Amino acid sequence: DAGVTQSPTHLIKTRGQHVTLRCSPISGHKSVSWYQQVLGQGPQFIFQYYEKEERGRGNFPDRFSARQFPNYSSELNVNALLLGDSALYLCASRQGNYGYTFGSGTRLTVV
Amino acid sequence: QKEVEQNSGPLSVPEGAIASLNCTYSDRVSQSFFWYRQYSGKSPELIMSIYSNGDKEDGRFTAQLNKASQYVSLLIRDSQPSDSATYLCAVNIEEDSSYKLIFGSGTRLLVRP
Repeated sequence: DAGVTQSPTHLIKTRGQHVTLRCSPISGHKSVSWYQQVLGQGPQFIFQYYEKEERGRGNFPDRFSARQFPNYSSELNVNALLLGDSALYLCASRQGNYGYTFGSGTRLTVV
Repeated sequence: QKEVEQNSGPLSVPEGAIASLNCTYSDRVSQSFFWYRQYSGKSPELIMSIYSNGDKEDGRFTAQLNKASQYVSLLIRDSQPSDSATYLCAVNIEEDSSYKLIFGSGTRLLVRP
């Protein structure tokens, strides 16, 4: 059974560009969350989606947006990239009250 | 501001010893708590979850929760060099029908052969 899958694995973008990151949750999981992890820190919450609706949003600017599709996969979009957006972007899925399972992440470098 | 605090380490223990990792949190209504292990360059891996006061054991790992003291700990018995990693404490917060994890900054564990 596949875990949480994320694509791409690595990405290099230029300041001002736009990026789309993708995530497929574990089969049967309806909740998807996005986190940003910069070097030396714990992951920071960006969004939670459940049943295709945004349920929560962290303290991130409006340049960050996301959506969830009918098959429960999700996209994270970041516009007008800044150098400070360079980070590991993690997607997590969850079923019920169990722990969150993270994907392998997308390493974004903004130059 | 809900916070999770961890000692950044590094915590260095010899192989075979018990490693003790600690975490405190500020949100009194948190119900579920998790420990994740993260190897350098990899994503966090869930190793323990705990929901009620007391101890929970799984193999060489024991999680301890004290809600009155807002304290969570992880004990690793018979530490192995392969346990060398950063250990992240996470608290699940419910806010306005949303659930999110609040992470500490992690404790780096080094197990010396």
